[in-house]
Amino acid sequence: AQSVTQLDSQVPVFEEAPVELRCNYSSSVSVYLFWYVQYPNQGLQLLLKYLSGSTLVKGINGFEAEFNKSQTSFHLRKPSVHISDTAEYFCAVSDGTGAGSYQLTFGKGTKLSVIP
Amino acid sequence: GAGVSQSPRYKVAKRGQDVALRCDPISGHVSLFWYQQALGQGPEFLTYFQNEAQLDKSGLPSDRFFAERPEGSVSTLKIQRTQQEDSAVYLCASSLRGGTNTGELFFGEGSRLTVL
Repeated sequence: AQSVTQLDSQVPVFEEAPVELRCNYSSSVSVYLFWYVQYPNQGLQLLLKYLSGSTLVKGINGFEAEFNKSQTSFHLRKPSVHISDTAEYFCAVSDGTGAGSYQLTFGKGTKLSVIP
Repeated sequence: GAGVSQSPRYKVAKRGQDVALRCDPISGHVSLFWYQQALGQGPEFLTYFQNEAQLDKSGLPSDRFFAERPEGSVSTLKIQRTQQEDSAVYLCASSLRGGTNTGELFFGEGSRLTVL
């Protein structure tokens, strides 16, 4: 079974500073990787995904993530955060092959707080 | 509406009561998922439907949990004889295609269940 570790439960950062939210997953032959964002009182929304190809993936709102197979990581980055980025961010993985690939396994989430 | 709709948004139940949570997926979406999100945790998979067929119910915690999607659109998650440990946010998600999850899951805002 897959597992996902988000190393930081809370990350405070000043507005316009860069941020990195860390995510590690358990190794598998092939994986699909996702970052979802949950704004207060809203449903989860897909930020970006890695299925194959280029290891640097760009998403919405200026976020990007890099797939590192050797380190089994998929860290999320943004060079300059805004107040509106305050939200909870979830890393998720699914098996890239086989019948179980529809099932997402989520990390526990990282709460990003942007300080004015 | 254009998104996934869940009702009720909030439900308070006394221990031992039965509850039913409804999910209206995006029209035409083949796949429907239920996830459970306990406080401070990431969403955990409960069950998966492809059209009206329940292809995976391996995540349902006990036989008190039952889900259906009889006509391949609206789904209901029923919890019988609720217990305090059932308190959580229940998330519904849908996606356009069935099978491999390479696409985007669209999540509802969730139904928050509190069992007293």
